[in-house]
Amino acid sequence: KQEVTQIPAALSVPEGENLVLNCSFTDSAIYNLQWFRQDPGKGLTSLLLIQSSQREQTSGRLNASLDKSSGRSTLYIAASQPGDSATYLCAVLIQGAQKLVFGQGTRLTINP
Amino acid sequence: DTEVTQTPKHLVMGMTNKKSLKCEQHMGHRAMYWYKQKAKKPPELMFVYSYEKLSINESVPSRFSPECPNSSLLNLHLHALQPEDSALYLCASSQDFRYEQYFGPGTRLTVT
Repeated sequence: KQEVTQIPAALSVPEGENLVLNCSFTDSAIYNLQWFRQDPGKGLTSLLLIQSSQREQTSGRLNASLDKSSGRSTLYIAASQPGDSATYLCAVLIQGAQKLVFGQGTRLTINP
Repeated sequence: DTEVTQTPKHLVMGMTNKKSLKCEQHMGHRAMYWYKQKAKKPPELMFVYSYEKLSINESVPSRFSPECPNSSLLNLHLHALQPEDSALYLCASSQDFRYEQYFGPGTRLTVT
């Protein structure tokens, strides 16, 4: 059974810092991995999707990497801003299952 | 346009009521999803429709009844709900199940 773990559960940093969020998964048989952000009481916003054959994806200040063999992904946020405060979720799409398996999320607070 | 819309935003219903949640997308996506999310937890998959046919039912109680009238619309019919069904209900869509999922803003459901 695929399990997805995100560490840390919560993170608080001052504005301007670069930071890394971690995601690990137990079964490497995945189609892709997706990173989302969620603001309180809102829906999920897709940030980046990495296909299983890719190593990384970049969008603006965000960079996500994928090491399928070791079951790890990282989301790097450069020059953090208070507006980056949210919960960040990673999810893997299991091969043959049509189903996203989510981690528990990292609650990020950027302090001005 | 990567928008998924959901109505209503908020819904309060009694345990004997019948109500429906609606979801719409105009991106030509052929996979649509219903998720349930409780506070401080990741979304839990309920149903998947692929090419307008129900392809996954995650053992959801029959008091939740999904419907896909056409490729743009997804409904969730609610009847005889319990207070523990109170949650944020999220709809998502993707080109097909292997591709990036886009989420709507959710319907906040309270069962009294």
